[in-house]
Amino acid sequence: GENVEQHPSTLSVQEGDSAVIKCTYSDSASNYFPWYKQELGKRPQLIIDIRSNVGEKKDQRIAVTLNKTAKHFSLHITETQPEDSAVYFCAVGGGADGLTFGKGTHLIIQP
Amino acid sequence: KAGVTQTPRYLIKTRGQQVTLSCSPISGHRSVSWYQQTPGQGLQFLFEYFSETQRNKGNFPGRFSGRQFSNSRSEMNVSTLELGDSALYLCASSPGTSGDFTDTQYFGPGTRLTVL
Repeated sequence: GENVEQHPSTLSVQEGDSAVIKCTYSDSASNYFPWYKQELGKRPQLIIDIRSNVGEKKDQRIAVTLNKTAKHFSLHITETQPEDSAVYFCAVGGGADGLTFGKGTHLIIQP
Repeated sequence: KAGVTQTPRYLIKTRGQQVTLSCSPISGHRSVSWYQQTPGQGLQFLFEYFSETQRNKGNFPGRFSGRQFSNSRSEMNVSTLELGDSALYLCASSPGTSGDFTDTQYFGPGTRLTVL
């Protein structure tokens, strides 16, 4: 089955700086790559996703890049704000095993 | 549209008991997937139901089962509860037309199950 590695597990950045979270996957047939944000005690919420026919997608301060050859994709958050503090999960879809999730990154925004 | 809802939000059970969790998807969505979230294992796929049929299944023992009704609402059942079943159980709804988890999945708030 699919295997997803996510790094780092914890990321602390100063407010206003950028944050980058990276994920690698194993199955070259995978073709859907969403990112979810989960605040403490809340449900995972989709923040951005990308499909394999696109290399980059941007939505205001959030962007995702995909390198299918290297089998990795990254989440970029610019101009970080206190409300960006949360756990971020990457996920991979495109097969019969449901979405396969990374272990999560705890993003801490320092004031 | 109303979001995905799950009931109950919290449950406390003892070992050996069984439990049933419920999930109501977004109106018009026909696929409901279930995930288990634990600090150690993260988010893991249990199974997916589409049009009242289990369409995909993860790697969990047969104690975990589910069903889906004609209105797309889904229930998940865990029999003979073990301490390790303590987790947040999340359901996710999607249109389900792709069949391969490339549709956007919207999560419910989860049911926090504690097994004593």
